Amino acid sequence: GQSLEQPSEVTAVEGAIVQINCTYQTSGFYGLSWYQQHDGGAPTFLSYNALDGLEETGRFSSFLSRSDSYGYLLLQELQMKDSASYFCAVRDYTGRRALTFGSGTRLQVQP
Amino acid sequence: DAGVIQSPRHEVTEMGQEVTLRCKPISGHDYLFWYRQTMMRGLELLIYFNNNVPIDDSGMPEDRFSAKMPNASFSTLKIQPSEPRDSAVYFCASSSTLNTGELFFGEGSRLTVL
Repeated sequence: GQSLEQPSEVTAVEGAIVQINCTYQTSGFYGLSWYQQHDGGAPTFLSYNALDGLEETGRFSSFLSRSDSYGYLLLQELQMKDSASYFCAVRDYTGRRALTFGSGTRLQVQP
Repeated sequence: DAGVIQSPRHEVTEMGQEVTLRCKPISGHDYLFWYRQTMMRGLELLIYFNNNVPIDDSGMPEDRFSAKMPNASFSTLKIQPSEPRDSAVYFCASSSTLNTGELFFGEGSRLTVL
């Protein structure tokens, strides 16, 4: 099976940088995804890493280390609208092969 | 494209009643997923289809739950009989491939069973 661990809550101030970590255990690993979900909304895709390294998309970056079974989402120049829950998700090739989501990290951005 | 469309957005029903949730995936997407989200259990995969065929239903809680995909543009998730512990937000998602880790979610159906 798979298991993912991420912090339950993170608080940061507007304009700051915040890093949300995710560690995973899985029998077979394809890649790590990140999703954002605002209260009452649907999860929306942010990024996907299949290879080691950093992927940058605007203010958001995502990093993966396959050897450490670890990844993170980096949010820069935080804005109030970034207050949301952030989920990491893994896709593995044993069993189900569909995305398994972590429990989510609630980010609160303060003025 | 209009995105993934789910109905109803909200459903309140009494224990023992049948509930049917509906989903229209994005046109051209071969994969359709049903997820359930609760505070206690997070976002759980219930079942997914590839080209209208159920691939993995191991997440379906019990026999009270059933899902169908009669054609490429429509899927249903049925709960019969419903119980209070089924109260959750049910999301449908679709994708064109499993290779990018990107799913497109609908807005969800919030189910409350009294």
